[in-house]
Amino acid sequence: NAGVTQTPKFQVLKTGQSMTLQCAQDMNHNSMYWYRQDPGMGLRLIYYSASEGTTDKGEVPNGYNVSRLNKREFSLRLESAAPSQTSVYFCASSESGSQPQHFGDGTRLSIL
Amino acid sequence: QKEVEQDPGPLSVPEGAIVSLNCTYSNSAFQYFMWYRQYSRKGPELLMYTYSSGNKEDGRFTAQVDKSSKYISLFIRDSQPSDSATYLCAMSPISGGYNKLIFGAGTRLAVHP
Repeated sequence: NAGVTQTPKFQVLKTGQSMTLQCAQDMNHNSMYWYRQDPGMGLRLIYYSASEGTTDKGEVPNGYNVSRLNKREFSLRLESAAPSQTSVYFCASSESGSQPQHFGDGTRLSIL
Repeated sequence: QKEVEQDPGPLSVPEGAIVSLNCTYSNSAFQYFMWYRQYSRKGPELLMYTYSSGNKEDGRFTAQVDKSSKYISLFIRDSQPSDSATYLCAMSPISGGYNKLIFGAGTRLAVHP
């Protein structure tokens, strides 16, 4: 039972490069989320998708775009990577807005 | 001031000890309260999920919510080395049916044999 799967697990980019982080869930959940986790800052919401076909900004959306490709998949794109985007990125999903979220194991992204 | 405050630790205890982890919050609209456990280089894993005030017990874990004091706690009884991890509190208001979780920064716990 895979749950939430994120790819890649690690990536190093140069400033200005672009990249798409992939996320897929097999729990038939309606809602999906992207977070970043930085030391001392906790998890901060970047974007979320309440249901297939909708996306909304979270707390820290600048420099990111998302696509809800279908009910299973939700991708996060960095168009022009900056060193400030060095972080660990987590994807999560939940059955509905009032249910707890289930997380993947993260993508560790370094931007030089 | 952050909406959710959590002591970062680290907290080091001997095996078998009772552990108390705490969070305070400022938003009285929070209704759902969660505790997540995060092992090194892994994603957060849901431990406990409670609604409103009161206690909830699951095995060695007890979650406590005091809405009047805006304070939540997680107690771990008979702690084990396998409990060594970072514990994140999270809470949510309900607005329009969407779940917007606000996380604490996490407390690192080390249980030594």
